[in-house]
Amino acid sequence: QVQLQESGPGLVKPSQTLSLTCTVSGGSISSGGYYWSWIRQHPGKGLEWIGYIYYSGSTYYNPSLKSRVTISVDTSKNQFSLKLSSVTAADTAVYYCARVVIVDARGDAFDIWGQGTMVTVSS
Amino acid sequence: QSVLTQPPSASGTPGQRVTISCSGSSSNIGSNYVYWYQQLPGTAPKLLIYRNNQRPSGVPDRFSGSKSGTSASLAISGLRSEDEADYYCAAWDDSPSWVFGGGTKLTVL
Repeated sequence: QVQLQESGPGLVKPSQTLSLTCTVSGGSISSGGYYWSWIRQHPGKGLEWIGYIYYSGSTYYNPSLKSRVTISVDTSKNQFSLKLSSVTAADTAVYYCARVVIVDARGDAFDIWGQGTMVTVSS
Repeated sequence: QSVLTQPPSASGTPGQRVTISCSGSSSNIGSNYVYWYQQLPGTAPKLLIYRNNQRPSGVPDRFSGSKSGTSASLAISGLRSEDEADYYCAAWDDSPSWVFGGGTKLTVL
């Protein structure tokens, strides 16, 4: 059974870069058929898609965050990562990683989610 | 402000049928599938409905989805206390991006 687990600092200073890693267990990122995604949820708010990556390295980002986001994959470690630069308090949120079924280029259901990790941006 | 519009709250008594609406536009719901996610308190979202009306394995048939034009609905019949959660709709938008609703908090009275 595939499981995802986020890890990374829970506190980031303003203007710095937020870095998170998602470790996939119970299955291989390289098996294909899925995108590997980041989604965030501001406190008490709804969900916001950040972007996703295919095991080959192809990436797709939310246009509203594209200038600050980098998602990368390390197939040898079965991990994918998120970097969000120039953070402000508005980036304080719970960050989730998730698996996205590929049916066509857009992706399909976000079928497996990590438990989420809270990141606070504060000096 | 979320791209997809949901009522902030809904409620019902045990055994009742409740529906949650999700309104979008021609660039998202009008031309793409709708998905629904359930988020129990303090947990990650869980896939509830995919491609408008399909249930993943393990999701009770009390949950059903439908879509018409630029709107979609999630129906929960035979409401149970464990259904108390936040529910989110989602769709691909041609911008291009995945977009979500603001969520509906369901209270079982």
